[in-house]
Amino acid sequence: TQLLEQSPQFLSIQEGENLTVYCNSSSVFSSLQWYRQEPGEGPVLLVTVVTGGEVKKLKRLTFQFGDARKDSSLHITAAQPGDTGLYLCAGGFRGAQKLVFGQGTRLTINP
Amino acid sequence: DADVTQTPRNRITKTGKRIMLECSQTKGHDRMYWYRQDPGLGLRLIYYSFDVKDINKGEISDGYSVSRQAQAKFSLSLESAIPNQTALYFCATSTSWYNEQFFGPGTRLTVL
Repeated sequence: TQLLEQSPQFLSIQEGENLTVYCNSSSVFSSLQWYRQEPGEGPVLLVTVVTGGEVKKLKRLTFQFGDARKDSSLHITAAQPGDTGLYLCAGGFRGAQKLVFGQGTRLTINP
Repeated sequence: DADVTQTPRNRITKTGKRIMLECSQTKGHDRMYWYRQDPGLGLRLIYYSFDVKDINKGEISDGYSVSRQAQAKFSLSLESAIPNQTALYFCATSTSWYNEQFFGPGTRLTVL
């Protein structure tokens, strides 16, 4: 079974603080995606990383793929209430036709 | 206009009833998926289809069936609903490039 573990499961911080959430597996990914889901809506793709060590930035969000392609992190700088949501990572494994999703990190940014 | 639409958005039904959830897409993608979301469990794959003649079971297909009526339509059926099928259900399409997923707005199903 290919599992993705996300940590922490819940995170509540004040507006303006920085935070990092993690996505880990014992398996090597061919690709790793991050999604954000807001209440009452479906997940929305934020980024796809495919190369070990790759770093991608999306405004205040920085995504990093581990060198060994077994883990990934999402760092948010100066969090804002609009960043509140469920963050899901999803891994693609070579030879597999589908993604495996982590259980998610529920992030709350308090004004 | 939404690219991936799901109907109904909310449904309450009783144990033993047959339920169909429908999904339509205008993205032109060949790949379509049905997922189930439960609190603390993330998204779990029920079925997926890569074209009209291709249907594949996901990790939790028991108790569910699907029909791919056309490239743009993929429906999920619960032949005899049971309470532990109460969940959020999402349809998604994907590109062939790393299976990037595009989700519909979801259907909240409650089985009493």
